[in-house]
This record gives sequence, structure tokens and C-alpha cells, in this order.
Amino acid sequence: EPEVTQTPSHQVTQMGQEVILRCVPISNHLYFYWYRQILGQKVEFLVSFYNNEISEKSEIFDDQFSVERPDGSNFTLKIRSTKLEDSAMYFCASTAGTGKVNEQFFGPGTRLTVL
Amino acid sequence: GNSVTQMEGPVTLSEEAFLTINCTYTATGYPSLFWYVQYPGEGLQLLLKATKADDKGSNKGFEATYRKETTSFHLEKGSVQVSDSAVYFCALRNAGGTSYGKLTFGQGTILTVHP
Repeated sequence: EPEVTQTPSHQVTQMGQEVILRCVPISNHLYFYWYRQILGQKVEFLVSFYNNEISEKSEIFDDQFSVERPDGSNFTLKIRSTKLEDSAMYFCASTAGTGKVNEQFFGPGTRLTVL
Repeated sequence: GNSVTQMEGPVTLSEEAFLTINCTYTATGYPSLFWYVQYPGEGLQLLLKATKADDKGSNKGFEATYRKETTSFHLEKGSVQVSDSAVYFCALRNAGGTSYGKLTFGQGTILTVHP
């Protein structure tokens, strides 16, 4: 069964460093998402990506964040200069469409720890 | 904007007990409603969904009914098992239009079932 994969499973970094979180969505999907969950808090939407551009982003997704689909299979989230408050679990998701019948499939997440 | 509120957790039950996890929502239009489950070390998996008022979603013995009049989508199971121990997330999505399918999640409820 096709699945969304994410690497690494855990990333530890120093404050101010750049990190890139990687995702491989399901191959025939067209819409891609990043969500995050700070420990003990809600899963929050960060950004959606369709047709090689950002389609929607939340207020969390500021200039420190960027997304890219560099090669038609990977979907990456870059944090340019990490802050302590970026420590969270980051989930990637993908779906074939945005209609009522379309399910979003999630990856297992990357736990980011900023020291 | 959209929001989802889940009952506070964690919830601890004995095997074969009845489970209810409350979920209420605020949304514009006619959202689709979802329950996702996250087992330890895994990503979010869709448990069940309902796309219009009075629909009942069901899967693996879990049920939830879309109640527009009370803006609720409570999760129930008649007899829980140890293997149901996980984190449960209620979520909503506005289909189509300019939403690009983003999900709005509740804060999650940790369920632990003891033998």
C-alpha cells in the first residue's frame, strides 16, 4: 500500500541553524501539506502546495520557512534559522484532490528538537 | 475561522469499557469531519469521516455522527481493546473553493486501555 514517508525521524539542531525536513508523498497525489504539533498542543496547519506553488499558508509560516518540490518526488520544508519554539513534530501529508471523497495521507512525522 | 475542540484527556479505561471522546467544532459552510488516530511511533491515520449532516462514519467498531444542530462529532466505541490505545484527533476540512483542503485539528485525546 502506498504511503507517505518522512526523513529523518528525529532531528536535533542548534538554535540559528538551518534544517531541511524531507517528505516523499504518494506518487500520484497533487496536493501537499506540512503540519506541526508542538508537544502537548494541537496539530497546526503550516502550508499547502499545489501545482508547484504555495496555495495557502498559516500565520506560523513566516519568512523563516520555505517549501520546495525539487524533483517531482520529494517535498521539503526548510527552516532557515531555527528558534527554540520551532521544536515540534512536523507532519507531511498528501492527497489526490480536495473534494469530499479525498483523504489526506500522513507521514510518520519528524521530531525536531532545537537546542 | 474554523476551530475544533476536543475533550481534555488523557482517558484511561479498562478493556471492554464504553468509550466516548467529545468533539465540537466551529466552521463556516458545510465542512467534512474526521477522526484521525495516531498509534505510538506512527503517523496520523484516518479512522472515519462524515461529509454531511446526519452522516455516520464508522470503522473498526468506532462510530461518530455528524450533528449540525449541536456542531458535534463525538467518537464512540462500545467495547474498547488494549490495541485501541492511541491518540485520537478530531478534525474538519472545508472542501474545494479556496481552502485547498487544509485540515483543522483538535488538540488530541490520549486513550489508554488496560487489560
